[in-house]
Amino acid sequence: AQRVTQPEKLLSVFKGAPVELKCNYSYSGSPELFWYVQYSRQRLQLLLRHISRESIKGFTADLNKGETSFHLKKPFAQEEDSAMYYCALGGNKLTFGGGTRVLVKP
Amino acid sequence: EAQVTQNPRYLITVTGKKLTVTCSQNMNHEYMSWYRQDPGLGLRQIYYSMNVEVTDKGDVPEGYKVSRKEKRNFPLILESPSPNQTSLYFCASSFSSAGGRTEAFFGQGTRLTVV
Repeated sequence: AQRVTQPEKLLSVFKGAPVELKCNYSYSGSPELFWYVQYSRQRLQLLLRHISRESIKGFTADLNKGETSFHLKKPFAQEEDSAMYYCALGGNKLTFGGGTRVLVKP
Repeated sequence: EAQVTQNPRYLITVTGKKLTVTCSQNMNHEYMSWYRQDPGLGLRQIYYSMNVEVTDKGDVPEGYKVSRKEKRNFPLILESPSPNQTSLYFCASSFSSAGGRTEAFFGQGTRLTVV
């Protein structure tokens, strides 16, 4: 069975501070990992996927197969980064973690 | 505009009264799925469909039904809603019949309250 774990339900940081959202997965095959973001009162949207290895809105994420992790990082958080973030694992289906709410304080 | 459309956006109903939440996508996606979002529990998959007439249970299918008679539509049916089905529901679609291999596009959500 595929599983995604996001251990932090809430991350509160000050503007300009680094932020790291943890994500660990369990999957026997070759994983496809994604980060989705949900801003207040909006639908979920894709933030980034590991296969593209790009930086979106200053966020990056590296797939570490040895540690089965796909942590999301941003060196300098902005207030507009306040949102709900979901790590997702694609395989036979798309499985989401429990989500981490990020609050960036001024 | 490419999109996933859910209706209604908000619904308040009474226990036991059958209801249907519609979901439609205009991107010719093969894969569609339904999720419910609850505080502290994140997104949990209810049902998914890899193509027309092919549906399967997700993680929390009890109390729900789906059908996929056409590629673009994937309605969620609650035959006898109960208060524990009060939640925010999202429909999603993506290209790959493998389900999780490509970007998923989400609807705007349906907030259901069962009293």
